[in-house]
Amino acid sequence: DTAVSQTPKYLVTQMGNDKSIKCEQNLGHDTMYWYKQDSKKFLKIMFSYNNKELIINETVPNRFSPKSPDKAHLNLHINSLELGDSAVYFCASSSDRVEAEAFFGQGTRLTVV
Amino acid sequence: GNSVTQMEGPVTLSEEAFLTINCTYTATGYPSLFWYVQYPGEGLQLLLKATKADDKGSNKGFEATYRKETTSFHLEKGSVQVSDSAVYFCALSDRYSSASKIIFGSGTRLSIRP
Repeated sequence: DTAVSQTPKYLVTQMGNDKSIKCEQNLGHDTMYWYKQDSKKFLKIMFSYNNKELIINETVPNRFSPKSPDKAHLNLHINSLELGDSAVYFCASSSDRVEAEAFFGQGTRLTVV
Repeated sequence: GNSVTQMEGPVTLSEEAFLTINCTYTATGYPSLFWYVQYPGEGLQLLLKATKADDKGSNKGFEATYRKETTSFHLEKGSVQVSDSAVYFCALSDRYSSASKIIFGSGTRLSIRP
């Protein structure tokens, strides 16, 4: 009964490869997010989608391309991976109410070697 | 733009000590305020929230009061336990177009000694 699930949990890959991280939520939320957490635990929003429409793109390199096939899914595809992309990526979802909290997935630890 | 500033860690306390983690915010609108907790190897979980001025959020012995006059949302607990060791994030949510945007502080690592 996981509310927000993302796969894989761990991803180790070489520089230059292309990889995808999948995210699904079963909470019926209209808004989904991708966050990046660096080694110092700092969390930065990357993207936000509302009903499959891109709402927020926080100056993320074009190598990162989110895809939302329906409002329950928000996948993240990364092209030409670089060492600096190593981080933990979190998917989250929330309802449209401004007071609503976000529910987070367990994270995907991406290591680029 | 909107932002959240919280005290830097790490914070190390003995069991049963009193805890305060400071958090202040900058926002142009009327944001909701949150504290999230991240246990080792896990995702973020909501700890408590407050949606308007003077509201007090509370959960698991933790409390925080939404202070609009000082733009603060400090986290407190009267007697911490070893199991409270985690990273704590202050956050705010404000309206952005047709969605909400949740902005996090830098996180404060808390370690509790037995």
